[in-house]
Formats: sequence, C-alpha cells, structure tokens
Amino acid sequence: SQQGEEDPQALSIQEGENATMNCSYKTSINNLQWYRQNSGRGLVHLILIRSNEREKHSGRLRVTLDTSKKSSSLLITASRAADTASYFCATLTSGTYKYIFGTGTRLKVLA
Amino acid sequence: DVKVTQSSRYLVKRTGEKVFLECVQDMDHENMFWYRQDPGLGLRLIYFSYDVKMKEKGDIPEGYSVSREKKERFSLILESASTNQTSMYLCASSFNYGYTFGSGTRLTVV
Repeated sequence: SQQGEEDPQALSIQEGENATMNCSYKTSINNLQWYRQNSGRGLVHLILIRSNEREKHSGRLRVTLDTSKKSSSLLITASRAADTASYFCATLTSGTYKYIFGTGTRLKVLA
Repeated sequence: DVKVTQSSRYLVKRTGEKVFLECVQDMDHENMFWYRQDPGLGLRLIYFSYDVKMKEKGDIPEGYSVSREKKERFSLILESASTNQTSMYLCASSFNYGYTFGSGTRLTVV
C-alpha cells in the first residue's frame, strides 16, 4: 500500500521558474525524505526532514513538513534543465525502519 | 565515494529461468533492501535485511527469495521467472536514516 502520494503526477515548467511538489501520507511518521531519480537510474537522496522540524533548506531546495495535515512540499527554486527528473517522497512510519515511497512527480524543465 | 553496486544494468531472461540479481555495498551498512519499480505503482518493497542471514518480507515477496550470507552482499532470487516480474529492480542500503541506491537492474522476462 502506498504511504506517500505525490501531487502533481507531472509538472512542466520553464527554466528559471520555481517548481513545487507535494506529498501526502497517512500515518504518523518519524521522518520524511525526498529523492530524485533521473530516467532509468537509481534514486538519489536529496533531503531529510524529521517529524519535529517544519522547514529545511539545502541549496535551491526547500522542504516543509506539516504533521497536522500529514503533508510535505518540495520547492526547487530557479529551476534548471538538469532538474528534469522524477521526485519521490519516502516516509518512515514511527516504530518501523523501512521507508515507503510514493509514486513520484515527473518534473520537466524546458530550456 | 560510497557505493551500492548492482551487477547488471539490463537483463533478459526466459520464463521459468532462475534469476539472480546481485547487490554489493561498500559502506558497512546493516540494512539492505530490494524494491521493484513499475510505472504508476512507484517503488514497492520486496524484501529487506537488517543483518547477515536475517531477512524480512516486504509488501510483495511472492515469487522472490533473498540471500544475505555476507554483510556487503544482498541477492534477490527469482525462483522461476515470469513475465509479470518484468520490472526495474532497485537495491538500497542504509545505516540510520537515508538510503543509498544502486543504479538499478532492468529485467525483462520473455
């Protein structure tokens, strides 16, 4: 069963614009992570946010977490063509040690 | 640079064959995982292991088995490959938080 549901499923923007992706989940979590996957490759870890954190930054990435709404968002600022990829959220349910991944958002950045 | 290495990028196997997918990590991680990824279904956990010779079923273990004889190696076995096992297979390892993924093996069963 899917814990994380990303929204939108696909997103197409112009280079330089900001891209926002959302993730909703169902149970109490320990932490939430975002991953990027380039076409046909493995996933690359981007950022982790713990359940007691509300916002985190890493370079052009900004992640927010709202545990009351069971949702998270990933913002990529000043997007580049190289940001074209699929983005997944993964949640670690409290009391477990395995992550559950959502179905991903496919981002296309047009040059 | 830390690595998770999957032995094959592409594999084509025949229905009924026994298939081995190998995964090796060089980070001395305790936990290792096998996922399959299919369009519209995301990543689904097949099996995971939190120690040598230990294994636990994930969400979709049917038709698969695993082996972890050494800490660095986690093998996924398809006992009798079927066409519905055509998929992208991803191996990952972790210590505490955050997975390191391999590049994936795209398996086609014909």
